[in-house]
Amino acid sequence: NAGVTQTPKFRILKIGQSMTLQCTQDMNHNYMYWYRQDPGMGLKLIYYSVGAGITDKGEVPNGYNVSRSTTEDFPLRLELAAPSQTSVYFCASSSAWHGTQYFGPGTRLTVL
Amino acid sequence: KNEVEQSPQNLTAQEGEFITINCSYSVGISALHWLQQHPGGGIVSLFMLSSGKKKHGRLIATINIQEKHSSLHITASHPRDSAVYICAVGSQGNLIFGKGTKLSVKP
Repeated sequence: NAGVTQTPKFRILKIGQSMTLQCTQDMNHNYMYWYRQDPGMGLKLIYYSVGAGITDKGEVPNGYNVSRSTTEDFPLRLELAAPSQTSVYFCASSSAWHGTQYFGPGTRLTVL
Repeated sequence: KNEVEQSPQNLTAQEGEFITINCSYSVGISALHWLQQHPGGGIVSLFMLSSGKKKHGRLIATINIQEKHSSLHITASHPRDSAVYICAVGSQGNLIFGKGTKLSVKP
């Protein structure tokens, strides 16, 4: 099993550009999450999904959108990138709510 | 006040030392997680516990629900244990993460 995979690993965006961060898991987990990690801060939840077709906002959803058309994929869309979105983004999945989470390797995004 | 507080923020130890990292929380929880973030950035789950104690190799995690406190112990520490250790609690909503404890083990 590959677990949770994320692409790309690194990306530099200009202010106002858009992009999609890809996340795929092969563990048949219903629950998937997107987090951002800023220096010196704890992981913050952006969006989460409890199953295909069901998504909800987390703590810091502004400037992002998600979709969940399949169990495996949970892409994160950044519209009109801003410097405040410079961060490391992690996707994760779990088989249960509050269960053990499996993390992807992360995407380091810089917005200039 | 943060809902999840970890201490210390930074910890330097000599190889072989016994290490303790603490996590205190202020909310009712269903589960507490300990995670390890490697220097390269990857995050792995070490433990999930809701009561008592769990052990995996040289790692031991304990939780005291009444005192709202958990500890992560590393016995016979090794330089490869150098990482950031993160505590997270599952409360009514989503997981709440601490800021992490950066551990450096010197040979």
